[in-house]
Amino acid sequence: EAQVTQNPRYLITVTGKKLTVTCSQNMNHEYMSWYRQDPGLGLRQIYYSMNVEVTDKGDVPEGYKVSRKEKRNFPLILESPSPNQTSLYFCASKRTGGDGYTFGSGTRLTVV
Amino acid sequence: QQQVKQSPQSLIVQKGGIPIINCAYENTAFDYFPWYQQFPGKGPALLIAIRPDVSEKKEGRFTISFNKSAKQFSLHIMDSQPGDSATYFCAASTSGSRLTFGEGTQLTVNP
Repeated sequence: EAQVTQNPRYLITVTGKKLTVTCSQNMNHEYMSWYRQDPGLGLRQIYYSMNVEVTDKGDVPEGYKVSRKEKRNFPLILESPSPNQTSLYFCASKRTGGDGYTFGSGTRLTVV
Repeated sequence: QQQVKQSPQSLIVQKGGIPIINCAYENTAFDYFPWYQQFPGKGPALLIAIRPDVSEKKEGRFTISFNKSAKQFSLHIMDSQPGDSATYFCAASTSGSRLTFGEGTQLTVNP
């Protein structure tokens, strides 16, 4: 089944403790992206990657890092999480030149 | 700054009604306008999309109306059903690049 898999689905952590949210897709898509969803703000792009070793900032990149060492994986790294990063996070992918994104099921992160 | 503005924030209709969700954009370079549907606990899923060379696109009970001069587009759901209750997001992008989303509309269709 074609899908984007995120882990974990739920995570509660403390301020300052480094964490990684993993994202993997099995569709051989070149383009991958991370979004955060907050009430009243919709989905805002954090980082995106157009291919292996090619990443760029989205609209709200502060406090986040990403890497794209393999085509299928695009982890999101929070080096020193803060409470304002409490949110619902989505990873998405699409093929280059394609329009439709496939989204993962989301990771609900709480930073206390 | 939100480049895509969506309204209303929430909407309640009766079964069989025709909810309408509106979006307005600023960037005239946008050339792809999709709508995504999101159920609780799930990621958004592509519902229907339009390009600015047409004024309307229909897929089943879902219709997008597009007004290029006004820089607005809207989603109409005909004969709405309780199963349509979800959050709907409009979005826009330029030449297949990154999507900019609206704020979302929580739709409730009562039986």
